[in-house]
Amino acid sequence: AQKVTQAQTEISVVEKEDVTLDCVYETRDTTYYLFWYKQPPSGELVFLIRRNSFDEQNEISGRYSWNFQKSTSSFNFTITASQVVDSAVYFCALSEAGTSYDKVIFGPGTSLSVIP
Amino acid sequence: GAGVSQSPSNKVTEKGKDVELRCDPISGHTALYWYRQSLGQGLEFLIYFQGNSAPDKSGLPSDRFSAERTGGSVSTLTIQRTQQEDSAVYLCASSLVGGGSEQFFGPGTRLTVL
Repeated sequence: AQKVTQAQTEISVVEKEDVTLDCVYETRDTTYYLFWYKQPPSGELVFLIRRNSFDEQNEISGRYSWNFQKSTSSFNFTITASQVVDSAVYFCALSEAGTSYDKVIFGPGTSLSVIP
Repeated sequence: GAGVSQSPSNKVTEKGKDVELRCDPISGHTALYWYRQSLGQGLEFLIYFQGNSAPDKSGLPSDRFSAERTGGSVSTLTIQRTQQEDSAVYLCASSLVGGGSEQFFGPGTRLTVL
């Protein structure tokens, strides 16, 4: 069965600190997608990244970077030099080829607070 | 262009009443999703529509929940005989082609069942 675990329920950091949000997933499928979404206090979820299971290259986008490791079934998200605007709930998600990728399973989310 | 819209933004109802929640996806998006987000919880998948295919209803929690999508566009999620445990934020999302592509989320409908 699909499962996404985000063990960190809440994290608080001081502005400009780096922070890593952990995501561990379970799947029996060899082909799948992994996602990160951000839900700011305004409420609307915003897509951040999608990775397919065949691409383990780390990705960097500005202050954001993602570390995908199939060996540990992890897809961690790091924010460098955090800012107050990064305060949000971050969700990791998984979809499998077995469900035609249509059924997206979200983790419980990690609430990040960046303190000025 | 316009994003995903949902109405109403807030709905307060009494236990036992039926409610209808509406979602207008982004024009041209073939895939539409409904999720439920309870307080402090993640997103619970409810139902998925893709084009004219039969919807994936595997996430609907009970037969009191149903959804339809008319003309491949607007969708309505109906909850019959509401219970207090149905209180949550109901989120709708659409994507261009489904199949794991980026989802665009609406602002949600906050449902409170008294």
